[in-house]
Amino acid sequence: GAGVSQTPSNKVTEKGKYVELRCDPISGHTALYWYRQSLGQGPEFLIYFQGTGAADDSGLPNDRFFAVRPEGSVSTLKIQRTERGDSAVYLCASSLTSQETQYFGPGTRLLVL
Amino acid sequence: AQSVTQLDSQVPVFEEAPVELRCNYSSSVSVYLFWYVQYPNQGLQLLLKYLSGSTLVKGINGFEAEFNKSQTSFHLRKPSVHISDTAEYFCAVSRFSGGYNKLIFGAGTRLAVHP
Repeated sequence: GAGVSQTPSNKVTEKGKYVELRCDPISGHTALYWYRQSLGQGPEFLIYFQGTGAADDSGLPNDRFFAVRPEGSVSTLKIQRTERGDSAVYLCASSLTSQETQYFGPGTRLLVL
Repeated sequence: AQSVTQLDSQVPVFEEAPVELRCNYSSSVSVYLFWYVQYPNQGLQLLLKYLSGSTLVKGINGFEAEFNKSQTSFHLRKPSVHISDTAEYFCAVSRFSGGYNKLIFGAGTRLAVHP
């Protein structure tokens, strides 16, 4: 079946602009995670959704970052007033339940000029 | 808090040779351990995981790992590598707390298999 998909695959923006990154989880998966992977590093946790609610957003670096999952399926990560330091690959993962294996999407590579 | 250290940033090896990718973790509580592989321009794929039980875990593509609680290690091994195993490998730890698993990753080890 279809895996986790993320769009766009690449996004180039200018400093100060607003961006939205989309994640389509595997159908039926209730848990959804966002991670950020900077160059040469492992992924770092950003936020976890169980259904429609953000159960843990402790990894969001500051209030410029926000994520939603209004219908408990697709999620959007929103970044306001982007900075060059936001450049990274943003990974989305989903799991059938919160206790199950996480399946990752291919990521969105964000470049802030 | 948990943390993960992958001791080698790069491991070059010849095809059909054995390989070991090292991973150490720190945690004051029981944890789950994972190895993921990332091929170029692809997402992370789970190789294997340790939750409980037998300390020797077998995964996909001929990989296996051994959980060593006294040494807080979870090294990944393969007896004979192929060119197609060239990729980035990530060790991760999690603790089921608050009703979910938050993965904490190491910095990764780049495995380069040469002919």
